[in-house]
Amino acid sequence: NAGVTQTPKFQVLKTGQSMTLQCAQDMNHNSMYWYRQDPGMGLRLIYYSASEGTTDKGEVPNGYNVSRLNKREFSLRLESAAPSQTSVYFCASRSEGSYEQYFGPGTRLTVT
Amino acid sequence: QKEVEQDPGPLSVPEGAIVSLNCTYSNSAFQYFMWYRQYSRKGPELLMYTYSSGNKEDGRFTAQVDKSSKYISLFIRDSQPSDSATYLCARVGQAGTALIFGKGTTLSVSS
Repeated sequence: NAGVTQTPKFQVLKTGQSMTLQCAQDMNHNSMYWYRQDPGMGLRLIYYSASEGTTDKGEVPNGYNVSRLNKREFSLRLESAAPSQTSVYFCASRSEGSYEQYFGPGTRLTVT
Repeated sequence: QKEVEQDPGPLSVPEGAIVSLNCTYSNSAFQYFMWYRQYSRKGPELLMYTYSSGNKEDGRFTAQVDKSSKYISLFIRDSQPSDSATYLCARVGQAGTALIFGKGTTLSVSS
């Protein structure tokens, strides 16, 4: 039982490049989330998916797109990376009927 | 004003000390709270959750909620060097789904 997994662990991009961050969970959770964590800002919600086939914007969605591929997988795409998107990205999941979220190990992204 | 306020520290204590970590919140909807521990360069790990006023214990950890003053606390008894981490408090957001986090308090326990 791996919980929430994220790939890649690290990535360096040049401004304007695109990439997709992958997230998968094996806990049969309905809801999945993408957060970013910046020094002095804490964790902020980018997008979430309450169930397969639905996605909603969070606090800081600009510059990102998401896809809920199936119940297990939720990806985050940066179409044209900017230095302001340098951050650590965390995926989380939650089961129906509870509020507790379980986090993955994170992806550390640097945009130069 | 951010919905969940948390003193970032850093907080340094000797091994064996009792640690008190505190948060305040401003929105009374969905009064369901969580504490996460985050080691350096790792993901947040759920420590405790609580939704009622009063205390909830789990081993050396006690979570306390005072809804009248909108104040939540985490107490760590007999602190250990392995407790050195950043502690994040969180409240369930108004939509009942996402979490609203404080900025985290960094704790260092020296042996």
